[in-house]
Amino acid sequence: AQSVTQLDSHVSVSEGTPVLLRCNYSSSYSPSLFWYVQHPNKGLQLLLKYTSAATLVKGINGFEAEFKKSETSFHLTKPSAHMSDAAEYFCVVSNTGGFKTIFGAGTRLFVKA
Amino acid sequence: GAGVSQSPSNKVTEKGKDVELRCDPISGHTALYWYRQRLGQGLEFLIYFQGNSAPDKSGLPSDRFSAERTGESVSTLTIQRTQQEDSAVYLCASRIRLGQQYFGPGTRLTVT
Repeated sequence: AQSVTQLDSHVSVSEGTPVLLRCNYSSSYSPSLFWYVQHPNKGLQLLLKYTSAATLVKGINGFEAEFKKSETSFHLTKPSAHMSDAAEYFCVVSNTGGFKTIFGAGTRLFVKA
Repeated sequence: GAGVSQSPSNKVTEKGKDVELRCDPISGHTALYWYRQRLGQGLEFLIYFQGNSAPDKSGLPSDRFSAERTGESVSTLTIQRTQQEDSAVYLCASRIRLGQQYFGPGTRLTVT
């Protein structure tokens, strides 16, 4: 069985400060993990993905995430937040080689000037 | 086309009516997903199709919901006897094996 938990429904940071969006997963198999971003009134966009290669994954717009098997975590980070980062972020788990995907409930990121 | 397309983009219907939502996946994508996103909430998995295998319908909320897909092409999601709680954005996504999901723009359904 698979599940994904995003530990914060809302995160608020100041512009220029680091961003941390937390995600824990559960999977019976080797997982593939993804982060998607959804800006207001826009479609979902892939930020980055982990598929059993390097554990530190770099994505678009300066985001990165680290796969930690021992902690079953895949937290999303960015060193310095920008106003344009304000959006909803979804952590997603899928079985490697499989197709079923489970979305987390989402974390809304607010960026203050 | 280059991406996943969905139609209609907006649909307003009266309670009790049936609606049909359409998704055109990216050509060659073997997997197709339907999700529901209520206002201010995350994505709720509804159903997915993988090639010619039996679809995974485990996310369909009731027997009023059904979906079909012919081969690896168009899919339709049908909601019968719509209820106000069915109001949401319905998102379709397609994917190749091990790849990312590509999402369509969604259909915003409003049941009055």
